[in-house]
Amino acid sequence: GQNIDQPTEMTATEGAIVQINCTYQTSGFNGLFWYQQHAGEAPTFLSYNVLDGLEEKGRFSSFLSRSKGYSYLLLKELQMKDSASYLCAVRDSNYQLIWGAGTKLIIKP
Amino acid sequence: IAGITQAPTSQILAAGRRMTLRCTQDMRHNAMYWYRQDLGLGLRLIHYSNTAGTTGKGEVPDGYSVSRANTDDFPLTLASAVPSQTSVYFCASSDSDTDTQYFGPGTRLTVL
Repeated sequence: GQNIDQPTEMTATEGAIVQINCTYQTSGFNGLFWYQQHAGEAPTFLSYNVLDGLEEKGRFSSFLSRSKGYSYLLLKELQMKDSASYLCAVRDSNYQLIWGAGTKLIIKP
Repeated sequence: IAGITQAPTSQILAAGRRMTLRCTQDMRHNAMYWYRQDLGLGLRLIHYSNTAGTTGKGEVPDGYSVSRANTDDFPLTLASAVPSQTSVYFCASSDSDTDTQYFGPGTRLTVL
């Protein structure tokens, strides 16, 4: 079966750095996405990786290792507004997105 | 309209009733999707449409139907609602260049 694993919840301090991991087992791989979802709102696109390596976008970076079935989202200089759920999704061989359950990130002052 | 809109925002429905959730996008995206999101679970695909006039079944299609008469609209119908269909429903669309999906604000549906 297809599976996306990410931690259920993480806590970090304002101004610090946090890394949210995602491991996947899917039938084929055609890219990995990270989305942010604030409580009661829709998911919004953060990043996309299809090749191995690091993609940097401001305070957020996303890393992919296809051979290990692994990705992480790195958030730097954490702000209170970063409190949200972070969703990892993999596009499989049928070009459908398989979603993880999300990681709820709690930022403390 | 800018982006994707969904209606209604929320609805309480008696079991056995028929309900249509509306979704409209103005980005001229070819592909559109319906997901449900339940606590502790990832987004699950109900139905999708790669282009106007075509639809396909996702992971959890039973009890739901869709139509895609034109590019902009992608309604989701529950023919006879059951309590297990209580969920938050998100509509999304994607552009053909990157396949990045963009989501509507969601509909919170409660079936009693």
